Amino acid sequence: AQRVTQPEKLLSVFKGAPVELKCNYSYSGSPELFWYVQYSRQRLQLLLRHISRESIKGFTADLNKGETSFHLKKPFAQEEDSAMYYCAPSENQAGTALIFGKGTTLSVSS
Amino acid sequence: EAGVAQSPRYKIIEKRQSVAFWCNPISGHATLYWYQQILGQGPKLLIQFQNNGVVDDSQLPKDRFSAERLKGVDSTLKIQPAKLEDSAVYLCASSPVRNNIYEQYFGPGTRLTVT
Repeated sequence: AQRVTQPEKLLSVFKGAPVELKCNYSYSGSPELFWYVQYSRQRLQLLLRHISRESIKGFTADLNKGETSFHLKKPFAQEEDSAMYYCAPSENQAGTALIFGKGTTLSVSS
Repeated sequence: EAGVAQSPRYKIIEKRQSVAFWCNPISGHATLYWYQQILGQGPKLLIQFQNNGVVDDSQLPKDRFSAERLKGVDSTLKIQPAKLEDSAVYLCASSPVRNNIYEQYFGPGTRLTVT
């Protein structure tokens, strides 16, 4: 069965420190991979998708097919990055439904 | 553009009662999803519609949950009768295309508390 693991429930860092939010997945086939973010009192929204190879708000995510990981990284964390982050692969064959991990709360303090 | 709308935002009911949630997706979005998010977990897909047809309802507890999307626009999710374990946030999302991987836009959610 498809499975997504985000091993850290909470990650606390200081402003300016590097951040890495881990995501490992167990999937058959070649899923598309996304990171979604939910800021306080806001809706769940897309942060970035692997297929776009983009950097959003300074975040990047590298797909490692050998390790089946899709870790989210940012070299210098900002206080406004504090939020809940979800890794979400998508089944590429049956449709576009997302399977979410349990999420990691990122807390950035000054 | 206007975002995904959901109502009500909060609902408290007793177990064995019925409840219904409403979702209005972004105009023109063919695909609509209902997710259940239990406290401390990520959202879990309950049902996916393409226009007014069901694409995936494999995780919908069909003995008590039902959903419809009449005319391929608005959707209603119903629980009858509710159980304590149904306490969760129910999220509606929509996306413009099914066969390609496109972004899903989420509504604010309905927080259900079953007592």
